[in-house]
Amino acid sequence: AQTVTQSQPEMSVQEAETVTLSCTYDTSESDYYLFWYKQPPSRQMILVIRQEAYKQQNATENRFSVNFQKAAKSFSLKISDSQLGDAAMYFCAYRSPPNFGNEKLTFGTGTRLTIIP
Amino acid sequence: SAVISQKPSRDICQRGTSLTIQCQVDSQVTMMFWYRQQPGQSLTLIATANQGSEATYESGFVIDKFPISRPNLTFSTLTVSNMSPEDSSIYLCSVGTPRGQYFGPGTRLTVT
Repeated sequence: AQTVTQSQPEMSVQEAETVTLSCTYDTSESDYYLFWYKQPPSRQMILVIRQEAYKQQNATENRFSVNFQKAAKSFSLKISDSQLGDAAMYFCAYRSPPNFGNEKLTFGTGTRLTIIP
Repeated sequence: SAVISQKPSRDICQRGTSLTIQCQVDSQVTMMFWYRQQPGQSLTLIATANQGSEATYESGFVIDKFPISRPNLTFSTLTVSNMSPEDSSIYLCSVGTPRGQYFGPGTRLTVT
């Protein structure tokens, strides 16, 4: 079974600065997907970014980028130019590829990010 | 992406009663999922609901406690049966898309 570990329960960053959230995972599969989700106090889960394991290039979505290290099974999220609206719980998630017929997400325990004005 | 709505957004229920949560999507999707998020915790998958087949439950969740319906490609319901205070959680539905799973706004359930 796959496991996802987020070792930082809480992080804080000054507004406009850069912060990196860590995630490691364990799997025996060679092909899979990794995601970062954001859950603000409104509790709506928002898909932030996704990475396919077969792609060497790190995914980027505006101010959000990932550092995907497949051999180390590491998947960190970097938020640049932090804004007050980035304050939320961030969850790392793992998913097997669709052709395995198992598209469920396995979530980490989350990192609460606070933005300091 | 998909636009997903859930009803009710929150409810307070008495012990021993049942609550049915509805999930509506603005487009047809094959796979829908139901998750539970206990206070201050991460998300745990309850079951996967594909249209035209029985829901597949994860370990620790049973159909008698969490019956699920999936009558068409845009709608699903989750019932929390014979509730106890331990069922107090946020219940979220999600849909599978080629990009990833998108979530509804959640239903906050409090059992007294």
